[in-house]
Amino acid sequence: KNEVEQSPQNLTAQEGEFITINCSYSVGISALHWLQQHPGGGIVSLFMLSSGKKKHGRLIATINIQEKHSSLHITASHPRDSAVYICAVTDFGNEKLTFGTGTRLTIIP
Amino acid sequence: GAVVSQHPSRVICKSGTSVKIECRSLDFQATTMFWYRQFPKQSLMLMATSNEGSKATYEQGVEKDKFLINHASLTLSTLTVTSAHPEDSSFYICSASRTGGFTIYFGEGSWLTVV
Repeated sequence: KNEVEQSPQNLTAQEGEFITINCSYSVGISALHWLQQHPGGGIVSLFMLSSGKKKHGRLIATINIQEKHSSLHITASHPRDSAVYICAVTDFGNEKLTFGTGTRLTIIP
Repeated sequence: GAVVSQHPSRVICKSGTSVKIECRSLDFQATTMFWYRQFPKQSLMLMATSNEGSKATYEQGVEKDKFLINHASLTLSTLTVTSAHPEDSSFYICSASRTGGFTIYFGEGSWLTVV
């Protein structure tokens, strides 16, 4: 069973700061997902990665398959980025997600 | 707009009653949907895989007689919490993907409170 760990668990930063959230997993995967969960509970899929790097607006996600590690970066952070960011992985031949514990991000104006 | 819709968003029920939560894919057919549960400040936990036209596959430790899943059509899966207890109070959320697609779409989630 894949073990997914995220760090930090909580992160508070000033508006405008560059944010990095890390995710590591224990077993080879078919894909890694970054999700955003807002206080009301709703979840949005931000990225799905199997290799390399993806960018969407101020968000950048990278993955290193050899090191079993992924990072989510937020540039020019804004209070509306405040949410819980969750890393999740799918194993080969399996659509099921295994979730990390999440990183609670708070951006202070 | 939402591509996976979940209803109701909030429900309060009495102990011993049953409550049904619906998960619909709005503009695509989903042969597989997933149901998750999340306790406050904890991670999402997969409860079961809902398979259209066949029985759901439950994760270890999830009571299939308590959490009934029906996936009767390619756009609708339902989760029924039977004989609800206060400890069933939780956030329940579903997800689905387009066939061959990579993006996972989540429903809005349902907050269940059992009193």
